[in-house]
Amino acid sequence: GDSVTQMEGPVTLSEEACLTINCTYTATGYPSLFWYVQYPGEGLQLLLKATKADDKGSNKGFEATYRKETTSFHLEKGSVQVSDSAVYFCALTNTGNQFYFGTGTSLTVIP
Amino acid sequence: GAGVSQSPSNKVTEKGKDVELRCDPISGHTALYWYRQSLGQGLEFLIYFQGNSAPDKSGLPSDRFSAERTGGSVSTLTIQRTQQEDSAVYLCASSPGRTGGWETQYFGPGTRLLVL
Repeated sequence: GDSVTQMEGPVTLSEEACLTINCTYTATGYPSLFWYVQYPGEGLQLLLKATKADDKGSNKGFEATYRKETTSFHLEKGSVQVSDSAVYFCALTNTGNQFYFGTGTSLTVIP
Repeated sequence: GAGVSQSPSNKVTEKGKDVELRCDPISGHTALYWYRQSLGQGLEFLIYFQGNSAPDKSGLPSDRFSAERTGGSVSTLTIQRTQQEDSAVYLCASSPGRTGGWETQYFGPGTRLLVL
């Protein structure tokens, strides 16, 4: 069945460091891919998405490219800030009904 | 405007009791999802409602779990004869439902259920 595997955490980085959180997926067909973020004390919210191969989703300085050849959707940011500290979830859907989420990667950015 | 709300925020119950969890989606959103997040696990899809269509119940883990959505708005997730393994955070999300499930989902704060 469809599934998402994402990088285990927690991840701790210094401010202005580069971030990569790996996400790979298993799915039939051409799923849509998402990154959701959960800031401390808040609900999950969409960070970015890509609906077809080679699409790049971007938001708040974060980017992820839909790579069908490697079945990956890695989240990247060139320079993280303390305010980026959160839990990040990779997700996919093939049907629009069922969404499959990864286990989440906790990021802490220290000043 | 108001986001997705869920109640209660926390629920402690004894094994074997029934519980009801409530979700109020964003007004006008026709799509509604329930998820379960167990400790150390990702979000597990439970059920999906879209307008007046029959819900997609394929994620419900057992027949102790059921959900309904009245009037196309508020939804209730019911767990009968709760077990300790039901302890988790139950999340509800809604989306406009105009272009299918590829839309942004808006999540509620969740209900943290603890079964003793």
